[in-house]
Amino acid sequence: EAGVAQSPRYKIIEKRQSVAFWCNPISGHATLYWYQQILGQGPKLLIQFQNNGVVDDSQLPKDRFSAERLKGVDSTLKIQPAKLEDSAVYLCASSPGTHSSYEQYFGPGTRLTVT
Amino acid sequence: AQSVTQPDIHITVSEGASLELRCNYSYGATPYLFWYVQSPGQGLQLLLKYFSGDTLVQGIKGFEAEFKRSQSSFNLRKPSVHWSDAAEYFCAVGPYTGTASKLTFGTGTRLQVTL
Repeated sequence: EAGVAQSPRYKIIEKRQSVAFWCNPISGHATLYWYQQILGQGPKLLIQFQNNGVVDDSQLPKDRFSAERLKGVDSTLKIQPAKLEDSAVYLCASSPGTHSSYEQYFGPGTRLTVT
Repeated sequence: AQSVTQPDIHITVSEGASLELRCNYSYGATPYLFWYVQSPGQGLQLLLKYFSGDTLVQGIKGFEAEFKRSQSSFNLRKPSVHWSDAAEYFCAVGPYTGTASKLTFGTGTRLQVTL
C-alpha cells in the first residue's frame, strides 16, 4: 500500500513570494490533514478535510494560507505572501475517517525556508 | 483547551538500557492518547494509542505506555533501547467524542542512543 505522498520535499523562497504544496493521501482515505511543524515544536493542525469539505480550519491563517481538496482526493496548500515565520515543515496526513480512533498516516513533509 | 507537556527536550541513553519518556496532558474529558515517532526526514509514525480499558498499552517496536488518570500522564517505556530507536518522540491527545479528530501534540523529546 502506497503511503502519503508530498511534493516538493524542500522549498526555499523569499518573503512575500507565494508557494504551493501538494499532497496525495492513501487511497480510500476520506480525511486529510495539513500540519505545520516549526523547528523545536510539535505539529500544529492547520486544516482538516472530510472528502472535499472542511471540518476544522480554526488555526489556519486565512489572510495568507489557503487549502483545497477539490475532488476529495489530493490537496494543495498555498501560502501567499510568505513571511519569515512560515519557515517550517508542512506535513500532510490522511486517515480512513474523522474520529480520533482512526490512525493518522503522515507523509514525509515539505520543508519550507523563507528568507 | 487541551494541551500536552513533554518535560524532557532531550534524553540520552545507552544501547540496552531502559527508557521512559514522560508525557502529561490536560483535557476536559476522556481523551485519546497517542505516541508518535519521527525519524530525521521522515513523517510521524504511530507507536501506540490508548482509548479505554487496560491502562498498559503495547505498541510496535517493543514500546509500551501506561495511562495514569490520577497523574494525567501517559509515559512511554521500552525495556531495552536499540540504536535504531534514536529519533524524536511526540505525545498527542485527541477528543474522545464527536467527529473532530484534531490532535494536539507536545513539543517532543529527542532521544539519542549511545553505543
